[in-house]
Amino acid sequence: SQQGEEDPQALSIQEGENATMNCSYKTSINNLQWYRQNSGRGLVHLILIRSNEREKHSGRLRVTLDTSKKSSSLLITASRAADTASYFCATDRTSGTYKYIFGTGTRLKVLA
Amino acid sequence: DTEVTQTPKHLVMGMTNKKSLKCEQHMGHRAMYWYKQKAKKPPELMFVYSYEKLSINESVPSRFSPECPNSSLLNLHLHALQPEDSALYLCASSRIGGGTGELFFGEGSRLTVL
Repeated sequence: SQQGEEDPQALSIQEGENATMNCSYKTSINNLQWYRQNSGRGLVHLILIRSNEREKHSGRLRVTLDTSKKSSSLLITASRAADTASYFCATDRTSGTYKYIFGTGTRLKVLA
Repeated sequence: DTEVTQTPKHLVMGMTNKKSLKCEQHMGHRAMYWYKQKAKKPPELMFVYSYEKLSINESVPSRFSPECPNSSLLNLHLHALQPEDSALYLCASSRIGGGTGELFFGEGSRLTVL
């Protein structure tokens, strides 16, 4: 069963534009993570935000978390063609179970 | 060394075959995971091992049999699979306690069942 739903399912933008993708989840969480997956490859961890945090930055990435709305957003600023990938949020409901469940994902295409 | 190594990268097997997928990490992580991913879908959790003991089995059919022989190795034994089991199988590892919860993934084993 999936914990997170992401939107949009697919996003196509021009290089240099910002990309925003959203993740909504169903139950309370311990933390929320974002991962990137290039086509047919393994996933790469981007950023983690804890349930008591509201915003976090890492380079061109900005993540927000609204636990009252059970949602998170990932903003990629000044996108590059190399950012073309699928992006997934992942949540674990309870600390210590290590049960990470992935959202449905957003397929991002950045056009050069 | 921040790598998770999966072998083989590709595997084709018949429904009567027995094969195994292997995963290895040397980061000292004591949690290891198997995920299954179909095309254009998110990874689905199958199994979690913590301290070499199976802690989570997400109601996976018994034709998939996991094994964690030591803290660095994770195997997935496959027997009597169905064509719908064709997918990318991803192994991951993470620290237990005191860490960020970050999962480190291998590149996956792409399985085709004929």
